[in-house]
Amino acid sequence: DVKVTQSSRYLVKRTGEKVFLECVQDMDHENMFWYRQDPGLGLRLIYFSYDVKMKEKGDIPEGYSVSREKKERFSLILESASTNQTSMYLCASSLGPLGYTFGSGTRLTVV
Amino acid sequence: AQSVTQLDSQVPVFEEAPVELRCNYSSSVSVYLFWYVQYPNQGLQLLLKYLSGSTLVESINGFEAEFNKSQTSFHLRKPSVHISDTAEYFCAVSAETSGSRLTFGEGTQLTVNP
Repeated sequence: DVKVTQSSRYLVKRTGEKVFLECVQDMDHENMFWYRQDPGLGLRLIYFSYDVKMKEKGDIPEGYSVSREKKERFSLILESASTNQTSMYLCASSLGPLGYTFGSGTRLTVV
Repeated sequence: AQSVTQLDSQVPVFEEAPVELRCNYSSSVSVYLFWYVQYPNQGLQLLLKYLSGSTLVESINGFEAEFNKSQTSFHLRKPSVHISDTAEYFCAVSAETSGSRLTFGEGTQLTVNP
């Protein structure tokens, strides 16, 4: 089974802190994605990557950046956390257009 | 660009009743279509997908969805639901030309009551 592991299940950070959310997949997938999930809004794409050191902006990239130094790891960075970034963050990976495998999510609260 | 609309945010039903969760999409190119399910406190799991071929696709736990190109819909159905089907369901679309990128709908909360 493909596994996508997100390093933290719950995270509480202070406003202005730099926050790192880590995601690792173990099936050699080229494609990796970061979404945030908010009630009534579904999943919105923040950033994605089709290869190492490659990144593309999704629909809501403002306030976020990403890093992909190795194929299996895709990190989401909140440069200066704000309360409107309180959300559930979901990482996913895929091999071609056949659907994603998701991690369990990180629920981030910014206070 | 693609978009997805899930027409019902909440669907309450009684156990053993039939259910339909509605999904409409918009795209100027050919698409792949997906349904994902999210059980409480878990990530999303792929329920079923339409890539090509037969327009009726089925999952292993009794759900089915029908791709209707003329109505740009991909509704999810189950003839008899169980308490354990209580979850949030997401419809998603990917354009054949956009690589793997998925666009999701807003989600439908299915609650099955005894």
